[in-house]
Formats: sequence, structure tokens, C-alpha cells
Amino acid sequence: QSVLTQAPSASGTPGQRVTISCSGSSSNIGNNYVYWYQQLPGTAPQLLIYRNDQRPSGVPDRFSGSKSGTSASLAISGLRSEDEADYYCAAWDDSVTGPVVFGGGTKLTVL
Amino acid sequence: QVQLQVSGPGLVKPSETLSLTCTVSGDSTSSYYWSWIRQPPGKGLEWLGYIFYTGTTNINPSLRSRLTISIDTSKNQFSLKLNSVTSADTAVYYCARTTLVNLFDSWGQGTLVTVSA
Repeated sequence: QSVLTQAPSASGTPGQRVTISCSGSSSNIGNNYVYWYQQLPGTAPQLLIYRNDQRPSGVPDRFSGSKSGTSASLAISGLRSEDEADYYCAAWDDSVTGPVVFGGGTKLTVL
Repeated sequence: QVQLQVSGPGLVKPSETLSLTCTVSGDSTSSYYWSWIRQPPGKGLEWLGYIFYTGTTNINPSLRSRLTISIDTSKNQFSLKLNSVTSADTAVYYCARTTLVNLFDSWGQGTLVTVSA
């Protein structure tokens, strides 16, 4: 059971905008930054979003992150087939479960 | 560009010790923190722990009694030892560079470790 809660699956059609959510608590998302990772099939995860809404160089601006209270969201606009992957949120955690916690992951299917 | 390479046995017997090494190139282990993360087959990611070049570690509370992380800056490597393994420890093990800004910003390719007799 993951500390951060994500829906196990999401889907969309090419060109569509999809949102993936991540829910936590005051000890993690509420008081710390949120990070998002993309894991393409058979590969290691890659950093997609850092510090809630910042994109590393090379990440398309189709990907955006936001945070509100104890929840965070990853939005993907102009959905493409190559976006089909697992997406994980992560955060620093100030409680005994920390200091780093992950969400259970959301498998995004491009229909 | 930093690269991380995990090495170690792919098969470990139950009750024995799982040992892995992560070799870093393109960066110095005398900077940043360095983490271990695992992913059981078909499941999500679990942070195991990290180490600073000084040897200071922070270990996932759920594994604190079984997990040791060490670093050898002269070889630009850091290592994991997980003792008394069971089938629940079967997973792909990743190493990753860790920073306060980016969290895990560079990952190794991962290695599958199977715990089986």
C-alpha cells in the first residue's frame, strides 16, 4: 500500500488532454515538493516534473504539474502514442514513513 | 552526463544476503546523495534508502533492520546489502542520483534480483 494515492489507470485518445492525480497528506505533499516520473515499458523511470511544476530540460511543455493542498496533478496535453507509460508521483515526507514516498503509479493508455 | 550501472547477482537464495553495487560515471559520488529504489514485478516503486559521500545514510524505516548502504568514493561506487531476504524482496533494483532540487534525477538501468531456492 503506497503512501501517496494514485488511480491505477487512465486513458485518452491522441490529441486529448489527460490528468493524473496524486493524493497525500500534510506530512508529504502538503508541506513538501511533488515530483513526477515517467516509466516507459521496460525502462527505468525518468524525471518528468520537479518541485511541483518545473520541467527538466528536454521535457516537452505538453507536460505540466500542479499542486493544491495535499494533492497534486500531472497534465498531459496533445496526447501522443509515445506517452503511453506508467506515471509515478513522489514527495519528501516528514513523518516516520519518510523521508521519500511514492504513489502506486498510474498506467496511461493511449487509445 | 552522469551514468549509473548496477551490478550484482541476479539470483539469491532465501535467508541469504542480497548485494548490489552501483558504479557512477560522469559525476563524482563526492557530490549529491545516492539512492536505491526497487520495483517488484508488475508493481510500483519503493524507495529503499540513500547515502551521502560522508557515509551518512537514511534508510526506509520498513527495511532499517535488514538494509545497509555504503559508499566508496575512491571507486565512485555505492552499494546495498539486504540480509535475510525472502521472495518479497524479488524486484528490479535501481540506483539513482538524488538531489534536494530534483529528487531522483538520473537512474541506472536496473537489475532484476530473484529470491529463490
